[in-house]
Amino acid sequence: DQQVKQNSPSLSVQEGRISILNCDYTNSMFDYFLWYKKYPAEGPTFLISISSIKDKNEDGRFTVFLNKSAKHLSLHIVPSQPGDSAVYFCAAIPTGTASKLTFGTGTRLQVTL
Amino acid sequence: EAGVAQSPRYKIIEKRQSVAFWCNPISGHATLYWYQQILGQGPKLLIQFQNNGVVDDSQLPKDRFSAERLKGVDSTLKIQPAKLEDSAVYLCASSHRDFTGYTFGSGTRLTVV
Repeated sequence: DQQVKQNSPSLSVQEGRISILNCDYTNSMFDYFLWYKKYPAEGPTFLISISSIKDKNEDGRFTVFLNKSAKHLSLHIVPSQPGDSAVYFCAAIPTGTASKLTFGTGTRLQVTL
Repeated sequence: EAGVAQSPRYKIIEKRQSVAFWCNPISGHATLYWYQQILGQGPKLLIQFQNNGVVDDSQLPKDRFSAERLKGVDSTLKIQPAKLEDSAVYLCASSHRDFTGYTFGSGTRLTVV
C-alpha cells in the first residue's frame, strides 16, 4: 500500500524554466511533509518542508504548495538550474510519530541547457 | 559538524552469506534510523532507535535482519542469510529527539548475487 505517491518517474525541464514536481498521499493522518533531493551515490538531503497548517512555504528558488483537501503537494523550482538535476523524494510524517518518514518513489529531474 | 558516517560504501556477497553494515550518527542525535532503498523505490524504514532502545521495527524482516545500537551511539545492521531481494542501498539517518536535524548518511550499496 503506497501511501505517498509520485506518479511521474521523470521530468525534463530547460534551464531557467519552472520545474513542478507532484506528490499525492492517501493517509489523512499525515501532518508534516518534506522534500528531499538525492544525487547518485549520496544520501537524501533535506530541501524544504511544510506543516499541514500551512498551504505554502518558500525558501529561495524552492516553494512547496499543500492542498489538504486534494491530499496533494507540489514542489516548484524557479528558475531551474543544471545543478538541480537529481532525484526528488516527497516524504510525510503521521501525527504523533514525531519522526517516522514515509517516502514516495521519487521523480528524476533533469535540467537541460 | 560531521555528518552521518556509514561503512562500507559497497558490498557484494553471495546469497545465503551474511553481511553487516555500520553507522555512526551525528554527535548528540538521540534517534537513529535504518532505511532500505530498493532500486526505483523510495527509502523504507526498517528500524528506529531512540538512544539504545527500539522504537519501531515493524517493517524489519526479523527472521534474517537484526540491528543493535549499543550504548546509544553507533549502530550495526546485519543480514543473515542474505537473499537476492535484499539487494538495495541501506541508508542510516539520525535526528534529535524531536525530528530536527534529520540527516542521512551516504548509504551502503549491497548487491547479492
